[in-house]
Amino acid sequence: GQQLNQSPQSMFIQEGEDVSMNCTSSSIFNTWLWYKQDPGEGPVLLIALYKAGELTSNGRLTAQFGITRKDSFLNISASIPSDVGIYFCAGQDPQTGANNLFFGTGTRLTVIP
Amino acid sequence: DAGVIQSPRHEVTEMGQEVTLRCKPISGHDYLFWYRQTMMRGLELLIYFNNNVPIDDSGMPEDRFSAKMPNASFSTLKIQPSEPRDSAVYFCASSLSRLGQAIRGSGANVLTFGAGSRLTVL
Repeated sequence: GQQLNQSPQSMFIQEGEDVSMNCTSSSIFNTWLWYKQDPGEGPVLLIALYKAGELTSNGRLTAQFGITRKDSFLNISASIPSDVGIYFCAGQDPQTGANNLFFGTGTRLTVIP
Repeated sequence: DAGVIQSPRHEVTEMGQEVTLRCKPISGHDYLFWYRQTMMRGLELLIYFNNNVPIDDSGMPEDRFSAKMPNASFSTLKIQPSEPRDSAVYFCASSLSRLGQAIRGSGANVLTFGAGSRLTVL
């Protein structure tokens, strides 16, 4: 199946620091999504990216769709304790159908107050 | 809207037993998805429905798994007989329209997940 490599697997940072995580795929995607999952809950969409090179912000979050269409990154500025959770990238592969999202393995973020 | 409702939230059962997970999608959403989440494999799509009809079940692991959607407001995922390797968190999700279109729509048209059902098979 589709391979999505997400890094880092986990991060421990001090409150106020910036965070950067990325995701790469083995093939081209036509959409990249970033989700956050809180403990005991389902993933919630943070940002959606639709075309190569697109840079989109949502509050303190910024994400970019890589030019090669095989990668994306997510930045969080000035982290706060409620940023704790698991962040997933997800991509829509045009070859396998519009309704199948492939998810990365997640980046577990811990923010130390 | 209460969002996507899943039950049970937690289930512990013994190998060989039948397991039924339930999902109520957001009212008006035409698409319903079942995902499985494990540490080893992450989030995997098992099956999805459009207007109560199964469209793609290629992600269903094997014949022990089955899913139904008898009406627009209810779906079940059944495992019979269950095995320890089925232990995972099972998520139901719904969307208002075709996912490719939904993503380009407003915030209300994105894929919305339930809180999940954590299954442990001993």
